[in-house]
Amino acid sequence: EAGVAQSPRYKIIEKRQSVAFWCNPISGHATLYWYQQILGQGPKLLIQFQNNGVVDDSQLPKDRFSAERLKGVDSTLKIQPAKLEDSAVYLCASSPGVAAEQYFGPGTRLTVT
Amino acid sequence: GENVEQHPSTLSVQEGDSAVIKCTYSDSASNYFPWYKQELGKRPQLIIDIRSNVGEKKDQRIAVTLNKTAKHFSLHITETQPEDSAVYFCAASRGGANSKLTFGKGITLSVRP
Repeated sequence: EAGVAQSPRYKIIEKRQSVAFWCNPISGHATLYWYQQILGQGPKLLIQFQNNGVVDDSQLPKDRFSAERLKGVDSTLKIQPAKLEDSAVYLCASSPGVAAEQYFGPGTRLTVT
Repeated sequence: GENVEQHPSTLSVQEGDSAVIKCTYSDSASNYFPWYKQELGKRPQLIIDIRSNVGEKKDQRIAVTLNKTAKHFSLHITETQPEDSAVYFCAASRGGANSKLTFGKGITLSVRP
């Protein structure tokens, strides 16, 4: 089966600019996750969707980050405005349901200068 | 919230030796414990997981043991090979509707040929 797709793979922006990432989960997977992985650390959950509803966004910096999953399939994560500390790899993952194995996409490496 | 810690932060072994990587967690309600392997520049990939109703699970050269009383679980890799060199992340989750995975910071395993 096709894996989780993400784009772009790399992005370089200046601070205060905006950026958007896209994720296409594995077909049929109801649960979608966005993680932030800073260099040398484990992934940190930003937001979890179940179909098109938000299950957990407690660690999402809502003053600058937003995410949506219209129609319960693809998802976008946006940062506006970006800060230097947002430099990280943004990973999307999906799973067929809650408490099930999560499959990760290749990630988007964001560099904020 | 959940706190997952990994020890040590780096581990170097000789090819053919065994490697043991330990994790501790804080939330006694956690019942799902996956291990992910992440090679440089690549996505995290699930290598083995365990649920709290079992104490040990094995898959060829890798095994995971869980001690719920002490709130720790360990990854065991036998007959290590150079391709086992990677960063290994443990994670914990309560499962169910609140299936947020909390990751440790990762351990860098180096297998010396």
